Amino acid sequence: NAGVTQTPKFQVLKTGQSMTLQCAQDMNHEYMSWYRQDPGMGLRLIHYSVGAGITDQGEVPNGYNVSRSTTEDFPLRLLSAAPSQTSVYFCASSQKQTIYFGEGSWLTVV
Amino acid sequence: GENVEQHPSTLSVQEGDSAVIKCTYSDSASNYFPWYKQELGKGPQLIIDIRSNVGEKKDQRIAVTLNKTAKHFSLHITETQPEDSAVYFCAASYGQNFVFGPGTRLSVLP
Repeated sequence: NAGVTQTPKFQVLKTGQSMTLQCAQDMNHEYMSWYRQDPGMGLRLIHYSVGAGITDQGEVPNGYNVSRSTTEDFPLRLLSAAPSQTSVYFCASSQKQTIYFGEGSWLTVV
Repeated sequence: GENVEQHPSTLSVQEGDSAVIKCTYSDSASNYFPWYKQELGKGPQLIIDIRSNVGEKKDQRIAVTLNKTAKHFSLHITETQPEDSAVYFCAASYGQNFVFGPGTRLSVLP
């Protein structure tokens, strides 16, 4: 009964480093998305995908890349980490507008 | 684009009292309004939702009301319990995505 699985749970990066946040879902959902959560700002959409091979930008896409080679996986790549990318990141998948979130990835950029 | 406001940002109630959280949205095309509960260190979880063709929906101690004309919707929790303490987010559909409110931190005092 895994649902949406994110790794890693916690990560500290140095400015300029790159990394990938992994996300996998086992519910066969076509729609997947990445959000970042910052104090007082709710959840903001970074990128989303409506199916394998299709991705699109959300509200705050700069500094992030995504790909969707399979239905199950939707990794988020930070190209050159900046302190402004310190945040909690949530991956989500959805079916018929019901969103299922992962447990979150806490990222600190120093 | 869609904008969702949420009030209050923090709310403290005595155990057994009711709690009300209000949200407003800007895009009249939004037709689906979910509410999420986020416990500390966890991802948000759907607790109740309402579609634009319905004015009210209830699930045990939780209810949601929608006023399409005024573009606002509210979450009502009755007979609050300590386990209701969490951050609550409202959201409004925007195309195939969602826009979230900034969240309300609810504390239920014993």
